[in-house]
Amino acid sequence: DVKVTQSSRYLVKRTGEKVFLECVQDMDHENMFWYRQDPGLGLRLIYFSYDVKMKEKGDIPEGYSVSREKKERFSLILESASTNQTSMYLCASSLVTSRLYNEQFFGPGTRLTVL
Amino acid sequence: DAKTTQPTSMDCAEGRAANLPCNHSTISGNEYVYWYRQIHSQGPQYIIHGLKNNETNEMASLIITEDRKSSTLILPHATLRDTAVYYCIVRAYSGGGADGLTFGKGTHLIIQP
Repeated sequence: DVKVTQSSRYLVKRTGEKVFLECVQDMDHENMFWYRQDPGLGLRLIYFSYDVKMKEKGDIPEGYSVSREKKERFSLILESASTNQTSMYLCASSLVTSRLYNEQFFGPGTRLTVL
Repeated sequence: DAKTTQPTSMDCAEGRAANLPCNHSTISGNEYVYWYRQIHSQGPQYIIHGLKNNETNEMASLIITEDRKSSTLILPHATLRDTAVYYCIVRAYSGGGADGLTFGKGTHLIIQP
């Protein structure tokens, strides 16, 4: 089974701190994603990566950056955390395939609170 | 990606089949129907997908109408652990697969003991 793990389930940080959220997948997937999920707003894509050192902005990249130095690891960085970044952060991965469909596999999520 | 409509919530008795409907009347020919679920405080979990034929796996069955404008996810013997929000999405695969998912509000399925 695909396993996607995230470094923390719960995290509390102060405004202005630099925050690192780590995600690791063990199935050699090329694609990795970072989402945030908020009540009433659903799932929103922050950034994704389709290869090592490659990244693309999603729908809401402002205030975030990412790093993918190794295929299995995708990091989300909040350069200067703000209270409006309090949210559930979800990492996902998927395989590049010649099929005409693909599914994403999600980690357990990190609930980040910024005070 | 085509828009989907699902009921906000549903109840089902434990041990019975749970049938979750989804309308996707604007689906395009190259769009697949996917179902995910999210148990409280966990990440979403892929369940099943289909294009036009009915599909079954170890978790569920997916019935897609002939005109593909609606589908039903069936959990054949629901257990308390199936209580979750179920999301139906339709999307085309655009080569490489690096497309973000968009979930609507989904259906909150509550399995009653």
